[in-house]
Amino acid sequence: RKEVEQDPGPFNVPEGATVAFNCTYSNSASQSFFWYRQDCRKEPKLLMSVYSSGNEDGRFTAQLNRASQYISLLIRDSKLSDSATYLCVVNVASGANNLFFGTGTRLTVIP
Amino acid sequence: NAGVTQTPKFQVLKTGQSMTLQCAQDMNHNSMYWYRQDPGMGLRLIYYSASEGTTDKGEVPNGYNVSRLNKREFSLRLESAAPSQTSVYFCASSSPEWPPKPNQPQHFGDGTRLSIL
Repeated sequence: RKEVEQDPGPFNVPEGATVAFNCTYSNSASQSFFWYRQDCRKEPKLLMSVYSSGNEDGRFTAQLNRASQYISLLIRDSKLSDSATYLCVVNVASGANNLFFGTGTRLTVIP
Repeated sequence: NAGVTQTPKFQVLKTGQSMTLQCAQDMNHNSMYWYRQDPGMGLRLIYYSASEGTTDKGEVPNGYNVSRLNKREFSLRLESAAPSQTSVYFCASSSPEWPPKPNQPQHFGDGTRLSIL
């Protein structure tokens, strides 16, 4: 079983729509959680950390459900520039910050 | 701000050739990582170095070696390249603090696209 599983999509949504991605993780000892964004042929970049109480950064909201072992990302008022692949990332710490990456969910925002 | 710098950006090798991918970071990070990214597989950890002077295997270490040359630099070597090693390679770093805290994100270089014929 993979450490982190995501729906690969693609999600094609119109501009202005709200879209949500979910991700599940297998290790209940996982300690920290992130969403990264990766544009085509570019490196992954940190979008936001995910905190236990949930957190918001502008149009982006991240939530963590430890009991069900899933993480979500909500994007409101989608922009064309939001088109990218979103990677769910989990840290099962073991002496270093060893991150496990989901395969990513591809989002295309359509004009 | 340079952040994490990888060289080269592109490389084509023949089967059996060797090469070293270079990575350097200027953020005073303790931990550095090498990943490969293949379609449908996500990022997979090859090797990591929690701190200067230490290296450890990740999920897919076979066929690779690493050297943590100093705090800034972490190189990845393919001794005898195989077509299965065709991939995009990313170097990353994290943790300006020691010991590392689990909530520290990683910062990535812009990748090396490696093709092995």
